[in-house]
Amino acid sequence: EVQLVESGGGLVQPGGSLKLSCAASGFTFSGSAMHWVRQASGKGLEWVGRIRSKANSYATAYAASVKGRFTISRDDSKNTAYLQMNSLKTEDTAVYYCTRHVAAQADYWGQGTLVTVSS
Amino acid sequence: EIVLTQSPGTLSLSPGERATLSCRASQSVSSSYLAWYQQKPGQAPRLLIYGASSRATGIPDRFSGSGSGTDFTLTISRLEPEDFAVYYCQQYGSSPRITFGQGTRLEIK
Repeated sequence: EVQLVESGGGLVQPGGSLKLSCAASGFTFSGSAMHWVRQASGKGLEWVGRIRSKANSYATAYAASVKGRFTISRDDSKNTAYLQMNSLKTEDTAVYYCTRHVAAQADYWGQGTLVTVSS
Repeated sequence: EIVLTQSPGTLSLSPGERATLSCRASQSVSSSYLAWYQQKPGQAPRLLIYGASSRATGIPDRFSGSGSGTDFTLTISRLEPEDFAVYYCQQYGSSPRITFGQGTRLEIK
């Protein structure tokens, strides 16, 4: 059974940092592209970024709204993807989902972790 | 940036009726790169359709997708009570890599 479990969310002050983790199981993690998607309360889905597999040079890409502030990484030995978030803004408040991508679509999603940026 | 516009914003129908949801792109999208998701309150989205018309694993055949270019449609042939949810279309492109429509809320009439 495929499972994606996010952790690391919480309350952080504006300008602060937070690192989310996404623990994967039930599939060949090392061969999969992993993405992060967020959703503010009552709003739609917003793509955050992605990291490809080793075979694709661990290439990363980011949405313009987070580029330069967020960094996605992965540890294939731990079957875990990460989202390092720096210089957080109140508008970054959202539920953050990690997803496994096959081709152009997310076929598996985690349950999400809530990040609240507030003073 | 490719913008996806979904219509209607809210669709009110009764169980047993047919639902037609639209997703219009600001530029042509490859059919291979168009997907639909369903999201229920408090849950993560679930993949329904990929490649514009292929059903994901375990998705009932009352769900179907169609379209090409800039106009795509998700059809639910006969609504079941569990189908009332929010639906999102998504495209995969160059920059930004992925964009979502704003969603269509399907509610019970």
